[in-house]
Amino acid sequence: DAGVIQSPRHEVTEMGQEVTLRCKPISGHDYLFWYRQTMMRGLELLIYFNNNVPIDDSGMPEDRFSAKMPNASFSTLKIQPSEPRDSAVYFCASSNRWTDYNSPLHFGNGTRLTVT
Amino acid sequence: AQSVAQPEDQVNVAEGNPLTVKCTYSVSGNPYLFWYVQYPNRGLQFLLKYITGDNLVKGSYGFEAEFNKSQTSFHLKKPSALVSDSALYFCAVRAWPNDYKLSFGAGTTVTVRA
Repeated sequence: DAGVIQSPRHEVTEMGQEVTLRCKPISGHDYLFWYRQTMMRGLELLIYFNNNVPIDDSGMPEDRFSAKMPNASFSTLKIQPSEPRDSAVYFCASSNRWTDYNSPLHFGNGTRLTVT
Repeated sequence: AQSVAQPEDQVNVAEGNPLTVKCTYSVSGNPYLFWYVQYPNRGLQFLLKYITGDNLVKGSYGFEAEFNKSQTSFHLKKPSALVSDSALYFCAVRAWPNDYKLSFGAGTTVTVRA
């Protein structure tokens, strides 16, 4: 089990540029979550998918943020255009049996985004 | 709405001493409680969970947690801390049957000194 894989690990970009973060969930997991972590706001849920379908995107901060899951093994989080306040660590997490309520989340190692 | 409070930003203990990280929660519905640990430059790792039954649950790396319904608390404990336990600890809650989201506390940084 390779775990949840995120790429890149670090991303530095200039304000106004498009940024794409990538995630490969654990095979067989049918729920995928995108979180953002900052010192000021802690861990925030941005969006989550079930069977590749977005279920709740109420945490997406603005229209500049979009997420897709074209298949069960791949998801992207895109920011266009990026702004300095988007600087954070972005985590992807996956789970199976999430409807059981006792199944934990499995997190990737995150992408540290810096927008200058 | 559900929420989690971790009242201490930092906890400092000497190696070999007991470690406690506090967590209180607020939910409407039955709580499902979790502890996660985050090491530097890594993602969160699951430590343990409370679903139902015995109020004392045991997890990875010698950690345990005690569920107290009357105090709405779920404190993390370890009888004898190690320097390698130094990390950021998160408490999290889901409420059945109301919410599919997992709400996290702000986190507590634990430093164990040799």
